[in-house]
Amino acid sequence: KNQVEQSPQSLIILEGKNCTLQCNYTVSPFSNLRWYKQDTGRGPVSLTIMTFSENTKSNGRYTATLDADTKQSSLHITASQLSDSASYICVVSLDSNYQLIWGAGTKLIIKP
Amino acid sequence: GAVVSQHPSWVICKSGTSVKIECRSLDFQATTMFWYRQFPKQSLMLMATSNEGSKATYEQGVEKDKFLINHASLTLSTLTVTSAHPEDSSFYICSAWPEETQYFGPGTRLLVL
Repeated sequence: KNQVEQSPQSLIILEGKNCTLQCNYTVSPFSNLRWYKQDTGRGPVSLTIMTFSENTKSNGRYTATLDADTKQSSLHITASQLSDSASYICVVSLDSNYQLIWGAGTKLIIKP
Repeated sequence: GAVVSQHPSWVICKSGTSVKIECRSLDFQATTMFWYRQFPKQSLMLMATSNEGSKATYEQGVEKDKFLINHASLTLSTLTVTSAHPEDSSFYICSAWPEETQYFGPGTRLLVL
């Protein structure tokens, strides 16, 4: 069964600290893995997209990694800011780009 | 990046009434748009794929007669929740893929009383 599992469910850290969110997947056939940021009451916004051959991709203070052998991905946020408070969702695409398997998301709260 | 808009951003209606939600691609044409529903503390769930000029494709378990989709132009798709009930209260989000990145609308929060 195609599944995407994220951990932790929620995370609270102090402003300025770093954090890492995890994503494990059992999806086949695999096309690419995406990380989205969703602010409360808003639509998701794409952070990174990685294909099978990519190990890491950065977008500002966000760095995503992908280990296709172990089927694990992580999203590392450095020097967190209050505006980073959001849900972060890991999504894996099947061979057809329109077929997506969504993780439940990690709710991140940054405290001053 | 591409812009997808939705209208209204929120709506409150009485049980039994119908509600129409619009999804527009502002700076690109979209032959295909996607409608998602999101309940509190849950991730997005794909409801249906909207195809310009043809019938929408619904995911398993989604009632096509209850959630009417019309994609009459390359920049507009509408979702009509017919005979809405309180359990239809949710956050509805549309999206489109002008390129390899998926762009989402800001969402429409529906509350059925």
